[in-house]
Amino acid sequence: GQSLEQPSEVTAVEGAIVQINCTYQTSGFYGLSWYQQHDGGAPTFLSYNALDGLEETGRFSSFLSRSDSYGYLLLQELQMKDSASYFCAVRDRTSYDKVIFGPGTSLSVIP
Amino acid sequence: DTAVSQTPKYLVTQMGNDKSIKCEQNLGHDTMYWYKQDSKKFLKIMFSYNNKELIINETVPNRFSPKSPDKAHLNLHINSLELGDSAVYFCASSQDRLAAYEQYFGPGTRLTVT
Repeated sequence: GQSLEQPSEVTAVEGAIVQINCTYQTSGFYGLSWYQQHDGGAPTFLSYNALDGLEETGRFSSFLSRSDSYGYLLLQELQMKDSASYFCAVRDRTSYDKVIFGPGTSLSVIP
Repeated sequence: DTAVSQTPKYLVTQMGNDKSIKCEQNLGHDTMYWYKQDSKKFLKIMFSYNNKELIINETVPNRFSPKSPDKAHLNLHINSLELGDSAVYFCASSQDRLAAYEQYFGPGTRLTVT
């Protein structure tokens, strides 16, 4: 089966850097995705890591360590608009590539 | 242009009624999904279609029946609605099954059963 763990809530100051962790257990791991969801909105794809290492996209970076079954999303120069829920997700290649989402981390950016 | 659209955005109905939610994507994607997001924001897959063929059918009550008339449309019909069906339902699409890691979501349908 599959399971993912994330912190439920994180609070950070505007302009700072925050890291949101994700650990996973999976029988058929392909890679780790990250999605952002604002209150009342739809999940939006942020990044995908299939290989170990850091992927950078503007202020957001995502990291994966396959050997540790661990990844994180790094948000730099935090802005108030970054307040949202962040979900990690894995694809289960043993089940028709079904995507399993983590429970989500609610990020609050404070002035 | 809206990539993935859903109608209606809000749906308020009484227990026992039957309702449908429609979804359309104009991205040319082969694979579409239905997700249910509960009040705790857990996002759980319900169904997935690839080129109109059902490929994922999670342990969902058979009161829920998806239909894909073509690969750009995926509808969800719910019979005999129950209080526990209240949630936000998201439609999503990906280029194909292997690109499931990158999904595009519709705006969601907030279903309230009273």
